[in-house]
Amino acid sequence: KAGVTQTPRYLIKTRGQQVTLSCSPISGHRSVSWYQQTPGQGLQFLFEYFSETQRNKGNFPGRFSGRQFSNSRSEMNVSTLELGDSALYLCASSLEDGGETQYFGPGTRLLVL
Amino acid sequence: AQSVTQLGSHVSVSEGALVLLRCNYSSSVPPYLFWYVQYPNQGLQLLLKYTSAATLVKGINGFEAEFKKSETSFHLTKPSAHMSDAAEYFCAVSEGRELIFGTGTRLQVFP
Repeated sequence: KAGVTQTPRYLIKTRGQQVTLSCSPISGHRSVSWYQQTPGQGLQFLFEYFSETQRNKGNFPGRFSGRQFSNSRSEMNVSTLELGDSALYLCASSLEDGGETQYFGPGTRLLVL
Repeated sequence: AQSVTQLGSHVSVSEGALVLLRCNYSSSVPPYLFWYVQYPNQGLQLLLKYTSAATLVKGINGFEAEFKKSETSFHLTKPSAHMSDAAEYFCAVSEGRELIFGTGTRLQVFP
């Protein structure tokens, strides 16, 4: 099976802009989670979607949002970008429910100037 | 909320030496525990997972981890390090539908 894919792999934006990142899960996986990785804060959970519904959300401002489509593909959006949003954004997919193994994509590296 | 502590942000070993990366968790009940590895400019790759089926878990690339409830530990070991093992390693615990990660340990392997 193909793994989790994320597009684009690299992105450069300026402060105040918005950005949309895309994630395609492993075929058959219905849960998609997003994480932010920074040198200062490490790996932090953003949100998790299942069957087009957000089931869990981490402690991030409302500028961070996401959605999931009927084919389980997911997008996350960050509006009004700040310098501190520069990070590696990782998407992970799993079959269902807590305890299931999450498989990660290669990530999208976002640089905000 | 659960937490994961990884002792040692950097570990250096010689090629062929034992690798020991430490992880302690805070849960009062046996959790789902994971070790992931991250190579430069890549995502996270699953090494192994503990699900209470067995306390000694074998993973990929010769790694294994032992779950010790009395010590709330889940340390990662490999008998003989290889140059290709140089990477960052993350221990994580599952809390519901969220993975809570440790701060990571960067492993350096010297020839």
